[in-house]
Amino acid sequence: NAGVTQTPKFQVLKTGQSMTLQCAQDMNHEYMSWYRQDPGMGLRLIHYSVGAGITDQGEVPNGYNVSRSTTEDFPLRLLSAAPSQTSVYFCASSYGQGANEKLFFGSGTQLSVL
Amino acid sequence: TQLLEQSPQFLSIQEGENLTVYCNSSSVFSSLQWYRQEPGEGPVLLVTVVTGGEVKKLKRLTFQFGDARKDSSLHITAAQPGDTGLYLCAGNQGAQKLVFGQGTRLTINP
Repeated sequence: NAGVTQTPKFQVLKTGQSMTLQCAQDMNHEYMSWYRQDPGMGLRLIHYSVGAGITDQGEVPNGYNVSRSTTEDFPLRLLSAAPSQTSVYFCASSYGQGANEKLFFGSGTQLSVL
Repeated sequence: TQLLEQSPQFLSIQEGENLTVYCNSSSVFSSLQWYRQEPGEGPVLLVTVVTGGEVKKLKRLTFQFGDARKDSSLHITAAQPGDTGLYLCAGNQGAQKLVFGQGTRLTINP
């Protein structure tokens, strides 16, 4: 059971570089989302998807793009990295509603932008 | 703007003591979840509470949802070193969109 797989685990970028954080899930979940975690801020929602071909913005979407061409994959693209995007990024997939709702998180990507 | 305020943000206690972590908001949530996160890993779901006033127990952990569905608490009885971790509450805004509190970093000393 792979669950939610994120790659890479660590990444260092220079300001202005672009890159894609990969996220894949093998649980056939409809819902997927990206969060960033900063000290003292908890997790903040960047983008989310309720199914293949459908994406929407979360709380902090600026500087990030997503696409959902398949149920399994939900990559997060940084268009032009900035030091403010230094953070730990978590991808999650989920199913269910209400009391049955359950999110599964990947192990995260630690990104540093110099 | 932080919709969910957790307190305390840091807590260090001795093994065997009891503790309570609070999660407060001015917003109403359809459900609220508690997660635990270990270093280098993603959060892991502990419980979901849905009904106002609901109480759920998970071994020595007791979770309560406020009557108005705006706040929640996590009580740990006889804390153990294995309870050490970052505890996060998260309110559901619909369509799987969660808003998280800042987290409570709990350390249980042997």
